[in-house]
Amino acid sequence: KQEVTQIPAALSVPEGENLVLNCSFTDSAIYNLQWFRQDPGKGLTSLLLIQSSQREQTSGRLNASLDKSSGRSTLYIAASQPGDSATYLCAALNYTGANSKLTFGKGITLSVRP
Amino acid sequence: DTAVSQTPKYLVTQMGNDKSIKCEQNLGHDTMYWYKQDSKKFLKIMFSYNNKELIINETVPNRFSPKSPDKAHLNLHINSLELGDSAVYFCASSHGLAGPYEQYFGPGTRLTVT
Repeated sequence: KQEVTQIPAALSVPEGENLVLNCSFTDSAIYNLQWFRQDPGKGLTSLLLIQSSQREQTSGRLNASLDKSSGRSTLYIAASQPGDSATYLCAALNYTGANSKLTFGKGITLSVRP
Repeated sequence: DTAVSQTPKYLVTQMGNDKSIKCEQNLGHDTMYWYKQDSKKFLKIMFSYNNKELIINETVPNRFSPKSPDKAHLNLHINSLELGDSAVYFCASSHGLAGPYEQYFGPGTRLTVT
């Protein structure tokens, strides 16, 4: 059974700092891993998706990496801004056709202080 | 220009009632999902349909039944509502499950069972 862990549950940093959010998973046979952002009272917004054959994906100030062998993914946020404050979730897909599993971590609540 | 829409946004009902939540996407996606986010903000997938075929079916009570009349709609019907069903339910869609396909989420339906 796939388990996805995100530690710590909350993080507070000053504006401008570069930071790394961690995501670990127990079953390395993933098809892809996706990072999402959730603002309070809102749905999720997809940030980056990494296929199992890829090592990283970049979008603007965000860079996500994937190391299947060690069961880890990281989301790197450069030059953090107060607008980055939100909860960040990762989700691992184990694709087996009709019995596929999509497992989410519990999220990391990020607060960027002005 | 709403991509993924859900109705209603808020639903307050009594134990034992039957209710439905509707979801529609105008993105031309083939795959749709239902998620439950509990009071601790933990997100868990319930169902996923691809071209009207069930491809993810997590262990949820039989009282929950998804209905996909066409590719653009995935409704969630809940029978005999219980207090523990209170949560925010999110609908999402993507081009597919297995591939570089990001998910797009609806705004959520906050269900309160009294």
